[in-house]
Amino acid sequence: GENVEQHPSTLSVQEGDSAVIKCTYSDSASNYFPWYKQELGKGPQLIIDIRSNVGEKKDQRIAVTLNKTAKHFSLHITETQPEDSAVYFCAATEDSNYQLIWGAGTKLIIKP
Amino acid sequence: ETGVTQSPTHLIKTRGQQVTLRCSSQSGHNTVSWYQQALGQGPQFIFQYYREEENGRGNFPPRFSGLQFPNYSSELNVNALELDDSALYLCASSLETGFILGGYTFGSGTRLTVV
Repeated sequence: GENVEQHPSTLSVQEGDSAVIKCTYSDSASNYFPWYKQELGKGPQLIIDIRSNVGEKKDQRIAVTLNKTAKHFSLHITETQPEDSAVYFCAATEDSNYQLIWGAGTKLIIKP
Repeated sequence: ETGVTQSPTHLIKTRGQQVTLRCSSQSGHNTVSWYQQALGQGPQFIFQYYREEENGRGNFPPRFSGLQFPNYSSELNVNALELDDSALYLCASSLETGFILGGYTFGSGTRLTVV
């Protein structure tokens, strides 16, 4: 079955700098890779997703890249702001599957 | 458009008791998935309901059961509660099964504490 590893577990960056979170997956059949942001006391919120027919996707300050050959994908946040502080999760699945397989999460801390 | 709502937000139960958690799906969504999230970990899939039938199940024992109603709302029932069942229980709704049409919308969860 699929296994997703996520690094780092904690990331502290200065406000205005960029943050990068990396994930690897094991199942070459996976073709859907979402990223979720979870703030304290809330459920995860989908912030961006990418499918295997695309190498990169961007939405304002966030972008995701996918390397199918190496089986890894990354979340990039530019010009970080205090409201970006949260736990970020990557996940992977084959898009007709009924469940997501999640990474363990990255706690992103934005220092003022 | 309303989002996913879960009730109650917090719950404390004694070991051996039973609990029912409730979820109202986002308007237009016919699929509900339940996840268990232990502190400091990613969510673990419990099961999914599609058009009132269980559509898939994760590695959870039969004492975890569920229902989906004609309005697509859902319940998660846990019998014979154990201390390890203490977690945040997340409900997610989606448009159809799978992820071809998009991802989940999550509720804020129910924090269950078993003492």
